[in-house]
Amino acid sequence: QVQLQESGPGLVKPSQTLSLTCTVSGGSIISGGYYWSWIRQHPGKGLEWIGYIYYSGTTYYNPSLTSRLTISVDTSKNQFSLNLNSVTAADTAVYHCARDRTSGYGAFDYWGRGILVTVSS
Amino acid sequence: QSALTQPASVSGSPGQSITISCTGTSSDVGGYNSVSWYQQHPGRAPKLMIYDVSNRPSGVSNRFSGSKSGNTASLTISGLQAEDEADYYCSSYTSNSPVVFGGGTKLTVL
Repeated sequence: QVQLQESGPGLVKPSQTLSLTCTVSGGSIISGGYYWSWIRQHPGKGLEWIGYIYYSGTTYYNPSLTSRLTISVDTSKNQFSLNLNSVTAADTAVYHCARDRTSGYGAFDYWGRGILVTVSS
Repeated sequence: QSALTQPASVSGSPGQSITISCTGTSSDVGGYNSVSWYQQHPGRAPKLMIYDVSNRPSGVSNRFSGSKSGNTASLTISGLQAEDEADYYCSSYTSNSPVVFGGGTKLTVL
């Protein structure tokens, strides 16, 4: 059974960088042709796709975030990470990592429980 | 990119069937058979219910079905049960940015 677990600070100051890591267990991040995504949910709101990465390092980003966003992968640790710089209060959200079973076409079958990140001074 | 359009809320009584719509454009829903549906209970991660318009992942009840006509996809839940009360989100592959979600629909079981 594949499991994903987000980790990182729950509080980030405005203008700083939000950094999160997703650890994948129960399966290898390099097998199966899966894409690995970050998705966020603002409090009381809907889902917003942030971006994803393939184990080779190929990335695709939400155009609204691309100027501030970097997603990377560490296959030796079976992890992938998100860095979002110059954050504001609008970046306060629950951040989920997820696996896309359809090679980037957006069918997320395994999700992490999510981590609430608050941007505040 | 603009979110896909879903009704804010739908409701139904136990045993009834309900349908949730998800309207996009020819650049997303209408252009690709890559529509997914998710169920989310409060405080929980979303759960994939339907992918590729009408396919159910293993373990998902056959009371859940998906379809698409033109730029609108639909999720139908038959034999409504109390446990189906949740938020439902659609998503689609899009030519503008790989994935876009709908705004979500709150299902109330009366």
